[in-house]
Amino acid sequence: SHDLTQPPSVSVSPGQTATITCSGDALSRQYAYWYQQKSGQAPVLIIYENTERPSGISDRLSASTSGTTVTLTISEAQPEDEADYYCQTADATGASVFGGGTKVTIL
Amino acid sequence: QEKLAESGGGVVQPGTSLRLSCDASGFRFSSYAMHWARQAPGKGLQWVAVLRFDGSNQNYADSVKGRFSISRDNSKNKLYLQMRNLRPEDTAVYYCARERGGSYALDVWGQGTTVTVSS
Repeated sequence: SHDLTQPPSVSVSPGQTATITCSGDALSRQYAYWYQQKSGQAPVLIIYENTERPSGISDRLSASTSGTTVTLTISEAQPEDEADYYCQTADATGASVFGGGTKVTIL
Repeated sequence: QEKLAESGGGVVQPGTSLRLSCDASGFRFSSYAMHWARQAPGKGLQWVAVLRFDGSNQNYADSVKGRFSISRDNSKNKLYLQMRNLRPEDTAVYYCARERGGSYALDVWGQGTTVTVSS
């Protein structure tokens, strides 16, 4: 299966840690990528190759992987972290699939 | 500054066609694979299509296969999405995105163009 499953929503208090999981069989053999999308804006790449962070992305955002699940962690959550987060994977042709997205709310 | 700018969206009737364009600037367009993705109102991201840097290979989501066609003109730094036999469920904001070199991550995105399919 190429489906990716994410929780629809996650809530976190400022300064606390939020975790978002993304599960799918393909993740055991393909890299995962993560995107942050704030309201009314285009997505922004925040994690590539499972755990790597592009330049300019906050080091409070990190990711890990285990088997068929990848996890995005937001440490010391800030109001600006409130957004939708999507995982993505792709096969060798570049054909991709996105997870359903997780809405992160900072309480 | 690496930029992508989509255009060509609009309101169309079911069964009609539309062509979207994506203008690339600030990077060597001809060296990168390019993608289209879309987002229906209030919904999540959906991948649509990919085209290799030289146009040699393309792939599509099942939901658009046979109706949509991705192409590019490297001499004009443009990416296209030809959409035929449009359906109401194709209503979405359409984004073009650059595939990061050596990876399948999408590292540059446009701001999107809106397509509404309605009678």
